[in-house]
Amino acid sequence: EAQVTQNPRYLITVTGKKLTVTCSQNMNHEYMSWYRQDPGLGLRQIYYSMNVEVTDKGDVPEGYKVSRKEKRNFPLILESPSPNQTSLYFCASSLNGANVLTFGAGSRLTVL
Amino acid sequence: GNSVTQMEGPVTLSEEAFLTINCTYTATGYPSLFWYVQYPGEGLQLLLKATKADDKGSNKGFEATYRKETTSFHLEKGSVQVSDSAVYFCALSGTGTYKYIFGTGTRLKVLA
Repeated sequence: EAQVTQNPRYLITVTGKKLTVTCSQNMNHEYMSWYRQDPGLGLRQIYYSMNVEVTDKGDVPEGYKVSRKEKRNFPLILESPSPNQTSLYFCASSLNGANVLTFGAGSRLTVL
Repeated sequence: GNSVTQMEGPVTLSEEAFLTINCTYTATGYPSLFWYVQYPGEGLQLLLKATKADDKGSNKGFEATYRKETTSFHLEKGSVQVSDSAVYFCALSGTGTYKYIFGTGTRLKVLA
């Protein structure tokens, strides 16, 4: 089954404790992206990647890092999480950046 | 820059009522337009899309027409069901960019 898999689905952590949210797709898609969803703000893009070793900032990249060492994986790294990063995070992929996006189920992160 | 504006919710309707969710956009060139739907506890999934002016996207009884003259892509359904209760996002993918822009989402609640 074609899918985007994110882990963990739920996480509660404390300020400053580094964490990684993994994202993997099995569709051989070139394009992958991370979004955060906050009430009243819709989805905002954090980072995206057009291919292996090619990443670029979205609208809200501060406090986040990404890497794309393999085509299928695109982890989101919070080096020093803060409470304002409490949010619902989605990973998505598509054949290229202009095509239909396939989303993961989401990862709800709470930073205390 | 590109932007998407959609009507604020929540929208509450009775079963079998007519639905319209307004969406307007600002973009240079000829973007592709999308409606995504998010059911409770799930990621977003594509509902319908249109890639050029006057195209009509349709799926599951929902329709939207790409109107370049009014820069709009309004979502309509003739008779909503309880199972249509979800959050609906209008989005665009700009020409020559790899960036999706999402609206803030409109929550629809359908009462039996």
